[in-house]
Amino acid sequence: ETGVTQTPRHLVMGMTNKKSLKCEQHLGHNAMYWYKQSAKKPLELMFVYSLEERVENNSVPSRFSPECPNSSHLFLHLHTLQPEDSALYLCASSHTSQGAGGYTFGSGTRLTVV
Amino acid sequence: AQKITQTQPGMFVQEKEAVTLDCTYDTSDPSYGLFWYKQPSSGEMIFLIYQGSYDQQNATEGRYSLNFQKARKSANLVISASQLGDSAMYFCAMREPYGGSQGNLIFGKGTKLSVKP
Repeated sequence: ETGVTQTPRHLVMGMTNKKSLKCEQHLGHNAMYWYKQSAKKPLELMFVYSLEERVENNSVPSRFSPECPNSSHLFLHLHTLQPEDSALYLCASSHTSQGAGGYTFGSGTRLTVV
Repeated sequence: AQKITQTQPGMFVQEKEAVTLDCTYDTSDPSYGLFWYKQPSSGEMIFLIYQGSYDQQNATEGRYSLNFQKARKSANLVISASQLGDSAMYFCAMREPYGGSQGNLIFGKGTKLSVKP
């Protein structure tokens, strides 16, 4: 257990479904991140929250909607996804979005869109 | 242009031997951080080692060491005395503290390491 917990671990959803991914950390970190990991591609940063405010959105399609209600929780709301959105979605946290130190990652949610 | 380049898609090493995983990076910022992560088949990204751009000495963490050659912009990971449990994907990553990236991690494509018994 790394200190960053992601649920569910696996998710299969149809293209018309609405689902949410959850990430929780109790490490005292104040920045949280969503990354997408597709096969044979580098990890892609999707969203960054620092002090509960979104600081970066790397042109992610609007069918992905993040929510950060407090510094310990991060959600990724999904709706009308496409098959190419199937990937491993990783959540991470750190002390700030700048400075030294590593990020702590969760185990990921493996999403399959059918 | 890629900011992090890992040229070895896959590597094999004999158990108990040392192995070097290559990583080169590209940045114009004088201040940056370099990371290595291990990702086993379970999916979790495990932090291994960190090197700051101003650190005078190469970082070491147990069996992991980082061969930092700043002028060449390389940050190779050396794993000594390989173990079967070291079989995994290894990712090199960089964080630039300034500019549009806001200090976020940029990852390479990874190297799949397989340790042979």
